[in-house]
Amino acid sequence: EAQVTQNPRYLITVTGKKLTVTCSQNMNHEYMSWYRQDPGLGLRQIYYSMNVEVTDKGDVPEGYKVSRKEKRNFPLILESPSPNQTSLYFCASSFNTDTQYFGPGTRLTVL
Amino acid sequence: QKEVEQNSGPLSVPEGAIASLNCTYSDRGSQSFFWYRQYSGKSPELIMFIYSNGDKEDGRFTAQLNKASQYVSLLIRDSQPSDSATYLCAVTGGNQFYFGTGTSLTVIP
Repeated sequence: EAQVTQNPRYLITVTGKKLTVTCSQNMNHEYMSWYRQDPGLGLRQIYYSMNVEVTDKGDVPEGYKVSRKEKRNFPLILESPSPNQTSLYFCASSFNTDTQYFGPGTRLTVL
Repeated sequence: QKEVEQNSGPLSVPEGAIASLNCTYSDRGSQSFFWYRQYSGKSPELIMFIYSNGDKEDGRFTAQLNKASQYVSLLIRDSQPSDSATYLCAVTGGNQFYFGTGTSLTVIP
């Protein structure tokens, strides 16, 4: 089954404790992306990757890191999470800037 | 800052009616346009994409694009209660995707 998976689905953590949210796709897509979704602000792109070892900042990259060492994986790293990073996070993948397929989401709470 | 604007709603229509959702975008260079549906607590799922000016129909859904006016719309015919969701408009600019904040649609049985 073609899908994008994210883990964990839910995470409660404390300020400053490093965390990683994993994202994996099995559709051989070149393009992968991370979004955060906040009430009233919609989906905002954090980082995206056009292919392996190629990553670029989206509109809200501050406080986040990504890496793309393999085509299928695109982890999101929060080195020192803060409460303003409490949000719903989605990973997505696509063939270039075409139809994006979204993962199930990760709800993160930073206390 | 590239912007995508949607009326947040809520938009309410009776079952069987036509629901009309609208979206405007600021970047005249945008190439691709998408409509996603998102149920509460779920991830967005694609309804339609459109690349060229004019109408594109898929079942009960019709997407309309007018690049001169920087306007894209989605019509849902014969609306069903299961269509009740938030509809997100997305456009591409360069290598990025830009989403509107979504329009909440409620179809009343």
